[in-house]
Amino acid sequence: EDQVTQSPEALRLQEGESSSLNCSYTVSGLRGLFWYRQDPGKGPEFLFTLYSAGEEKEKERLKATLTKKESFLHITAPKPEDSATYLCAVRYGQNFVFGPGTRLSVLP
Amino acid sequence: DVKVTQSSRYLVKRTGEKVFLECVQDMDHENMFWYRQDPGLGLRLIYFSYDVKMKEKGDIPEGYSVSREKKERFSLILESASTNQTSMYLCASSLYRAPRDGYTFGSGTRLTVV
Repeated sequence: EDQVTQSPEALRLQEGESSSLNCSYTVSGLRGLFWYRQDPGKGPEFLFTLYSAGEEKEKERLKATLTKKESFLHITAPKPEDSATYLCAVRYGQNFVFGPGTRLSVLP
Repeated sequence: DVKVTQSSRYLVKRTGEKVFLECVQDMDHENMFWYRQDPGLGLRLIYFSYDVKMKEKGDIPEGYSVSREKKERFSLILESASTNQTSMYLCASSLYRAPRDGYTFGSGTRLTVV
């Protein structure tokens, strides 16, 4: 069964404390891995798309990487405004499978 | 900016009521989607539409129907609301069926069925 899991479920960091979020998938025929950010009471907002193992994308304090079985979202020196739920989604064909998300809290 | 607007942020309905959730996008997108989001389960696709008057079942269509009479509007209908349909409902749209930058989502409607 095609599946996407994310870990940890929740993560608390101090401001400036770097860490990584994980997205693992068992989908065959990957056609793209997507990262979204979701703030409370809002819809997901697109961050990155990765297509092949070894690919990396960066945006401000965020860097996404991809291997054949998982993706990492690295957060460097996070700030309180980075607090959100981070979702990953995998596309195969024209379908998407979303992971349950990681809830990140960055404390000042 | 592309905007996807969902008409209600919060709704409370009674069991057995017929419920309409409305979604409008303003960028002439062909493709529109309805998801529900529940804690620990991720987003699950209910229905989608690639064109006006066209609709396709997603992964969890039971208890729902949709309507797309105009390109910009995609409505989700709960024929007879039940408590297990209490959830956050998200509408999304895209120009292409396989967009490189993902979907554009609305802010969601949090529906409570009592």
